Amino acid sequence: NAGVTQTPKFQVLKTGQSMTLQCAQDMNHEYMSWYRQDPGMGLRLIHYSVGAGITDQGEVPNGYNVSRSTTEDFPLRLLSAAPSQTSVYFCASNPTGVRRFYGYTFGSGTRLTVV
Amino acid sequence: SQQGEEDPQALSIQEGENATMNCSYKTSINNLQWYRQNSGRGLVHLILIRSNEREKHSGRLRVTLDTSKKSSSLLITASRAADTASYFCATDPITQGGSEKLVFGKGTKLTVNP
Repeated sequence: NAGVTQTPKFQVLKTGQSMTLQCAQDMNHEYMSWYRQDPGMGLRLIHYSVGAGITDQGEVPNGYNVSRSTTEDFPLRLLSAAPSQTSVYFCASNPTGVRRFYGYTFGSGTRLTVV
Repeated sequence: SQQGEEDPQALSIQEGENATMNCSYKTSINNLQWYRQNSGRGLVHLILIRSNEREKHSGRLRVTLDTSKKSSSLLITASRAADTASYFCATDPITQGGSEKLVFGKGTKLTVNP
């Protein structure tokens, strides 16, 4: 099925551990982004990419790292997990070039708890 | 920083009634989008309205945009229990040098009672 696939769906980390949240899309979308969703805060942009090899920071990038080596994949790395990073993480994609005519396609999310 | 702010934060109605949600934003935009999120799920795109459009329809959804007031509304007609979800507006702001950032509001939680 075409869409955005996120893995894992759930994860518990200890403070200080590192991990990578995976995001893959099979729609040949150039634009990909990561958001975090916290209660009462809506969605906040972490990092985004407009194509392979190009990434940029969003609103809340501290503590996170991204890379974009292929069009399909956009992993999000937590360098040293902190309890403040407990959140639900969403990956979204969009076909750049017509981005202003089409909405984003979201993955189903990764629920991360840092203890 | 939040660009769009939805109002009300929560709305409870009976099946068959209409539901209206509002969104206000602060800066000039290229477009405004509405998304639905069912509990524990990802966001689903509902409708996009460009800055030069005033009204758009999709099935039971009607979206209006007033750029002079920097506001939008989402109307769901003849609501169903399956419409129970959170609804988010998102704006594509016009920025110097171009923008690649969609900015979301905090959402309206809609409950449709059978």
